[in-house]
Amino acid sequence: ETGVTQSPTHLIKTRGQQVTLRCSSQSGHNTVSWYQQALGQGPQFIFQYYREEENGRGNFPPRFSGLQFPNYSSELNVNALELDDSALYLCASSETGEGETQYFGPGTRLLVL
Amino acid sequence: GENVEQHPSTLSVQEGDSAVIKCTYSDSASNYFPWYKQELGKRPQLIIDIRSNVGEKKDQRIAVTLNKTAKHFSLHITETQPEDSAVYFCAAILTGTASKLTFGTGTRLQVTL
Repeated sequence: ETGVTQSPTHLIKTRGQQVTLRCSSQSGHNTVSWYQQALGQGPQFIFQYYREEENGRGNFPPRFSGLQFPNYSSELNVNALELDDSALYLCASSETGEGETQYFGPGTRLLVL
Repeated sequence: GENVEQHPSTLSVQEGDSAVIKCTYSDSASNYFPWYKQELGKRPQLIIDIRSNVGEKKDQRIAVTLNKTAKHFSLHITETQPEDSAVYFCAAILTGTASKLTFGTGTRLQVTL
């Protein structure tokens, strides 16, 4: 198993609410990437944080935002939740922001009703 | 942007047989190609990777081949075992930039007794 942890493991929200998901990177890793995995699909890149700065973003609206802390842990915030936001949210940590091997956490399964 | 196609979507083999999963990518600049195994309800787990300066890499029963000219890479599993049953994802990335992994759509491998 990797040293990447995520919390919570499961979450149920209603449309319009806001949610915050958390990720702790593996020791020695300063980069966290977030992915959304819908049921039966491959993970889709949301954004990446490298040394507390956003370092690339996928095709997700601004209501998806993030943060990285000095200890390199990270948060993913989603505002104005929609039904289609129901998915497994994965974070992955890597040693640098330059395409090194990424190791995934166990994910947070979000259900929006 | 990068686009990764993966085939087949499902694959059923008998225990002891070989399994081959194929991926093609669109961006000729991509230079790092990891493969992940995801068991039901679990995190994607890196099983093998290959960089563009190498044509083949092997790790026990698993091997990956890369054809840069054709923009094609494949995962080969020999002597399959029931515990190999999972969903396998290929991915591609251009290192040195924001580490946006682009994933294929996944292959569900079923190893039957």
